[in-house]
Amino acid sequence: NAGVTQTPKFQVLKTGQSMTLQCAQDMNHEYMSWYRQDPGMGLRLIHYSVGAGITDQGEVPNGYNVSRSTTEDFPLRLLSAAPSQTSVYFCASRRTADTEAFFGQGTRLTVV
Amino acid sequence: EDQVTQSPEALRLQEGESSSLNCSYTVSGLRGLFWYRQDPGKGPEFLFTLYSAGEEKEKERLKATLTKKESFLHITAPKPEDSATYLCAVQFNSGGSNYKLTFGKGTLLTVNP
Repeated sequence: NAGVTQTPKFQVLKTGQSMTLQCAQDMNHEYMSWYRQDPGMGLRLIHYSVGAGITDQGEVPNGYNVSRSTTEDFPLRLLSAAPSQTSVYFCASRRTADTEAFFGQGTRLTVV
Repeated sequence: EDQVTQSPEALRLQEGESSSLNCSYTVSGLRGLFWYRQDPGKGPEFLFTLYSAGEEKEKERLKATLTKKESFLHITAPKPEDSATYLCAVQFNSGGSNYKLTFGKGTLLTVNP
């Protein structure tokens, strides 16, 4: 099992560009989330999904979109990148609402 | 106000010098508390889950305990390979948001040989 796979690992964008961060899991988990991690801020929840076709906003959703068309995939879209979105992004999945989260290796995004 | 607070922010130990990390939370209605280890450039790696006060979990040199308002991660006779950032995450009973994890800012542990 690969677990949670994120692509790309690194990305540099110009302000105003759009892109999609990919996340896939092969554990048949219903629950998936996106977090961003900034120095001194801890992990903050951007969006989450409790199953295919169901998504909801987390703590810091502005500037990001998500969709969940399959159980395996949960892409995160940046609509118009801003320097404030420079961060490390982590995707996570959980088997149930009460079990541990498994994290991907992260995507380091720089917006210039 | 932070709901989850980890202390200290950074801890430097000598190899073999035991110590504890703290995770305290201010909201009532704990659903679960999770400890993770994060190495530089990697995603968090799951260590323990605790669900009720008095519960303890152990793995090699690590032991996690839980009271009504805080959790401790005890590190016994640490080795340099235990150096990492340790994250605490709390899940609260909060109506429609029962699923969400709230993370502390982490404790950066350095173990010198």
